[in-house]
Amino acid sequence: DAGVTQSPTHLIKTRGQQVTLRCSPKSGHDTVSWYQQALGQGPQFIFQYYEEEERQRGNFPDRFSGHQFPNYSSELNVNALLLGDSALYLCASSFSGWGEKLFFGSGTQLSVL
Amino acid sequence: ELKVEQNPLFLSMQEGKNYTIYCNYSTTSDRLYWYRQDPGKSLESLFVLLSNGAVKQEGRLMASLDTKARLSTLHITAAVHDLSATYFCAGCSYSGAGSYQLTFGKGTKLSVIP
Repeated sequence: DAGVTQSPTHLIKTRGQQVTLRCSPKSGHDTVSWYQQALGQGPQFIFQYYEEEERQRGNFPDRFSGHQFPNYSSELNVNALLLGDSALYLCASSFSGWGEKLFFGSGTQLSVL
Repeated sequence: ELKVEQNPLFLSMQEGKNYTIYCNYSTTSDRLYWYRQDPGKSLESLFVLLSNGAVKQEGRLMASLDTKARLSTLHITAAVHDLSATYFCAGCSYSGAGSYQLTFGKGTKLSVIP
Protein backbone atom coordinates (compact mmCIF):
# COMPACT_ATOMS: atom_id res chain seq x y z
CA ASP A 1 0.00 0.00 0.00
CA ALA A 2 1.59 3.24 -1.18
CA GLY A 3 -0.19 5.39 1.35
CA VAL A 4 -0.95 9.02 0.49
CA THR A 5 1.34 10.31 -2.24
CA GLN A 6 1.89 13.94 -3.12
CA SER A 7 3.75 15.63 -5.94
CA PRO A 8 5.92 17.51 -6.38
CA THR A 9 7.87 17.37 -3.12
CA HIS A 10 9.34 20.84 -3.53
CA LEU A 11 8.36 23.80 -5.66
CA ILE A 12 9.70 27.30 -6.10
CA LYS A 13 7.51 29.98 -7.63
CA THR A 14 7.49 33.75 -7.87
CA ARG A 15 4.81 36.14 -6.71
CA GLY A 16 1.80 36.31 -9.00
CA GLN A 17 2.32 32.87 -10.49
CA GLN A 18 -0.07 29.97 -10.26
CA VAL A 19 0.68 26.51 -8.87
CA THR A 20 -0.97 23.07 -8.94
CA LEU A 21 -0.25 20.43 -6.31
CA ARG A 22 -1.33 16.82 -6.64
CA CYS A 23 -2.44 14.12 -4.24
CA SER A 24 -3.29 10.44 -4.56
CA PRO A 25 -5.17 9.07 -1.55
CA LYS A 26 -4.46 5.86 0.26
CA SER A 27 -6.04 2.83 -1.38
CA GLY A 28 -9.69 2.50 -0.34
CA HIS A 29 -10.02 6.11 0.73
CA ASP A 30 -12.53 8.39 -0.95
CA THR A 31 -12.17 11.66 0.95
CA VAL A 32 -9.29 14.10 0.50
CA SER A 33 -8.52 17.10 2.69
CA TRP A 34 -5.87 19.73 2.15
CA TYR A 35 -3.96 21.55 4.90
CA GLN A 36 -1.46 24.37 4.88
CA GLN A 37 1.34 24.28 7.46
CA ALA A 38 3.40 27.44 7.88
CA LEU A 39 6.81 27.12 9.47
CA GLY A 40 6.54 26.49 13.19
CA GLN A 41 2.74 26.27 13.13
CA GLY A 42 0.12 23.56 13.18
CA PRO A 43 -1.61 22.63 9.93
CA GLN A 44 -4.61 24.73 8.90
CA PHE A 45 -7.58 23.26 7.06
CA ILE A 46 -8.06 24.50 3.50
CA PHE A 47 -10.88 22.31 2.16
CA GLN A 48 -12.21 18.79 1.89
CA TYR A 49 -13.35 16.90 -1.21
CA TYR A 50 -15.72 13.98 -1.42
CA GLU A 51 -17.48 12.58 -4.49
CA GLU A 52 -15.72 15.17 -6.64
CA GLU A 53 -17.25 18.06 -4.72
CA GLU A 54 -15.88 20.51 -2.19
CA ARG A 55 -17.96 19.85 0.88
CA GLN A 56 -16.22 22.01 3.46
CA ARG A 57 -13.87 24.95 3.30
CA GLY A 58 -11.67 26.68 5.84
CA ASN A 59 -10.78 30.37 6.03
CA PHE A 60 -8.83 30.59 2.80
CA PRO A 61 -9.45 33.03 -0.07
CA ASP A 62 -10.86 32.04 -3.43
CA ARG A 63 -7.33 32.02 -4.82
CA PHE A 64 -7.22 28.53 -3.35
CA SER A 65 -9.27 26.08 -5.35
CA GLY A 66 -9.32 22.35 -5.80
CA HIS A 67 -10.62 19.43 -7.69
CA GLN A 68 -11.24 15.77 -7.08
CA PHE A 69 -11.20 13.26 -9.90
CA PRO A 70 -13.31 10.08 -10.29
CA ASN A 71 -10.36 8.00 -9.07
CA TYR A 72 -10.42 10.09 -5.83
CA SER A 73 -7.12 11.82 -6.53
CA SER A 74 -7.10 15.55 -5.98
CA GLU A 75 -5.43 18.78 -7.01
CA LEU A 76 -4.92 22.00 -5.11
CA ASN A 77 -4.54 25.14 -7.19
CA VAL A 78 -3.33 28.45 -5.89
CA ASN A 79 -3.56 31.55 -8.10
CA ALA A 80 -1.81 34.89 -7.80
CA LEU A 81 0.75 33.57 -5.35
CA LEU A 82 1.79 35.73 -2.41
CA LEU A 83 4.92 35.47 -0.30
CA GLY A 84 2.69 34.37 2.57
CA ASP A 85 1.63 31.29 0.64
CA SER A 86 5.04 29.77 1.29
CA ALA A 87 4.32 26.71 3.39
CA LEU A 88 4.15 22.93 3.51
CA TYR A 89 0.93 21.76 1.87
CA LEU A 90 -0.35 18.49 3.24
CA CYS A 91 -2.92 16.20 1.74
CA ALA A 92 -4.83 13.85 4.00
CA SER A 93 -7.08 11.01 2.98
CA SER A 94 -9.73 9.05 4.82
CA PHE A 95 -12.65 6.78 4.21
CA SER A 96 -16.00 8.58 4.22
CA GLY A 97 -17.52 8.87 7.64
CA TRP A 98 -16.66 11.65 9.93
CA GLY A 99 -13.94 11.51 12.50
CA GLU A 100 -12.15 8.71 10.77
CA LYS A 101 -8.42 8.40 11.02
CA LEU A 102 -6.68 10.71 8.60
CA PHE A 103 -3.52 9.62 6.82
CA PHE A 104 -1.23 12.41 5.71
CA GLY A 105 1.08 12.52 2.75
CA SER A 106 4.64 13.78 2.94
CA GLY A 107 3.60 17.17 1.66
CA THR A 108 4.70 19.67 -0.94
CA GLN A 109 7.05 22.39 0.25
CA LEU A 110 6.11 25.55 -1.66
CA SER A 111 8.44 28.53 -1.64
CA VAL A 112 7.22 31.80 -3.14
CA LEU A 113 9.96 34.32 -3.95
CA GLU B 1 -15.28 28.06 16.07
CA LEU B 2 -13.11 25.38 17.59
CA LYS B 3 -9.82 26.58 19.06
CA VAL B 4 -7.11 24.26 20.30
CA GLU B 5 -4.38 25.24 22.70
CA GLN B 6 -1.38 23.12 23.62
CA ASN B 7 1.11 23.60 26.37
CA PRO B 8 3.92 23.66 26.75
CA LEU B 9 5.04 24.70 23.27
CA PHE B 10 8.62 23.68 23.99
CA LEU B 11 9.71 20.87 26.26
CA SER B 12 13.21 19.78 27.03
CA MET B 13 13.43 16.70 29.18
CA GLN B 14 16.04 14.22 30.30
CA GLU B 15 15.98 10.63 29.26
CA GLY B 16 14.15 8.47 31.76
CA LYS B 17 11.88 11.24 33.03
CA ASN B 18 8.10 11.50 32.76
CA TYR B 19 6.12 14.44 31.48
CA THR B 20 2.66 15.43 30.24
CA ILE B 21 1.58 17.58 27.31
CA TYR B 22 -1.80 19.29 27.70
CA CYS B 23 -4.33 20.04 25.00
CA ASN B 24 -7.33 22.27 25.76
CA TYR B 25 -10.07 22.96 23.27
CA SER B 26 -12.79 25.56 23.25
CA THR B 27 -15.98 23.90 22.04
CA THR B 28 -17.38 20.44 21.61
CA SER B 29 -15.04 18.04 19.90
CA ASP B 30 -16.14 14.45 20.15
CA ARG B 31 -12.89 13.18 18.76
CA LEU B 32 -9.37 14.19 19.57
CA TYR B 33 -6.32 13.31 17.54
CA TRP B 34 -2.64 13.19 18.42
CA TYR B 35 0.01 13.34 15.72
CA ARG B 36 3.79 13.25 15.71
CA GLN B 37 5.91 15.19 13.22
CA ASP B 38 9.65 14.79 12.72
CA PRO B 39 11.57 17.70 11.15
CA GLY B 40 10.85 17.97 7.44
CA LYS B 41 8.44 15.07 7.56
CA SER B 42 4.69 14.59 7.44
CA LEU B 43 2.32 13.85 10.27
CA GLU B 44 2.21 10.40 11.79
CA SER B 45 -1.03 9.42 13.49
CA LEU B 46 -0.54 8.38 17.12
CA PHE B 47 -3.99 8.21 18.67
CA VAL B 48 -7.64 8.87 17.92
CA LEU B 49 -9.66 9.33 21.10
CA LEU B 50 -13.35 8.76 20.45
CA SER B 51 -15.20 9.31 23.69
CA ASN B 52 -15.07 10.76 27.16
CA GLY B 53 -12.71 8.86 29.40
CA ALA B 54 -10.92 7.20 26.50
CA VAL B 55 -7.36 6.17 27.23
CA LYS B 56 -4.96 4.73 24.68
CA GLN B 57 -1.38 3.61 25.10
CA GLU B 58 1.37 2.83 22.66
CA GLY B 59 4.81 2.14 24.04
CA ARG B 60 5.91 5.06 26.21
CA LEU B 61 3.02 7.29 25.15
CA MET B 62 -0.41 7.36 26.70
CA ALA B 63 -3.24 9.67 25.66
CA SER B 64 -6.48 10.42 27.46
CA LEU B 65 -9.59 12.47 26.81
CA ASP B 66 -11.90 14.32 29.20
CA THR B 67 -14.67 15.86 27.10
CA LYS B 68 -16.29 17.56 30.09
CA ALA B 69 -13.10 19.46 30.89
CA ARG B 70 -12.34 19.81 27.16
CA LEU B 71 -8.89 18.46 27.88
CA SER B 72 -6.67 15.80 26.41
CA THR B 73 -3.29 14.79 27.73
CA LEU B 74 -0.33 13.00 26.20
CA HIS B 75 1.79 11.41 28.89
CA ILE B 76 5.36 10.39 28.20
CA THR B 77 6.86 7.71 30.40
CA ALA B 78 10.62 7.22 30.80
CA ALA B 79 11.47 9.36 27.77
CA VAL B 80 14.05 8.20 25.26
CA HIS B 81 15.83 10.21 22.58
CA ASP B 82 13.74 8.64 19.79
CA LEU B 83 10.69 10.46 21.13
CA SER B 84 12.18 13.83 20.18
CA ALA B 85 9.71 15.36 17.71
CA THR B 86 6.86 17.86 17.55
CA TYR B 87 3.54 16.58 18.87
CA PHE B 88 0.23 18.03 17.71
CA CYS B 89 -3.23 17.57 19.07
CA ALA B 90 -6.24 18.28 16.89
CA GLY B 91 -9.93 18.60 17.59
CA CYS B 92 -12.58 17.63 15.07
CA SER B 93 -15.49 19.80 13.91
CA TYR B 94 -18.36 18.07 12.19
CA SER B 95 -20.34 20.20 9.74
CA GLY B 96 -23.02 17.80 8.64
CA ALA B 97 -23.36 15.53 5.60
CA GLY B 98 -20.22 13.72 6.66
CA SER B 99 -17.91 16.70 6.32
CA TYR B 100 -15.47 17.61 9.03
CA GLN B 101 -12.21 19.38 9.61
CA LEU B 102 -9.39 19.07 12.07
CA THR B 103 -8.21 22.10 14.03
CA PHE B 104 -4.65 21.72 15.21
CA GLY B 105 -2.83 23.19 18.14
CA LYS B 106 0.50 24.93 17.59
CA GLY B 107 2.41 21.82 18.55
CA THR B 108 4.77 20.89 21.37
CA LYS B 109 8.40 20.57 20.36
CA LEU B 110 9.88 17.86 22.53
CA SER B 111 13.63 17.42 22.93
CA VAL B 112 14.84 14.45 24.95
CA ILE B 113 18.35 14.98 26.23
CA PRO B 114 20.66 12.09 27.18
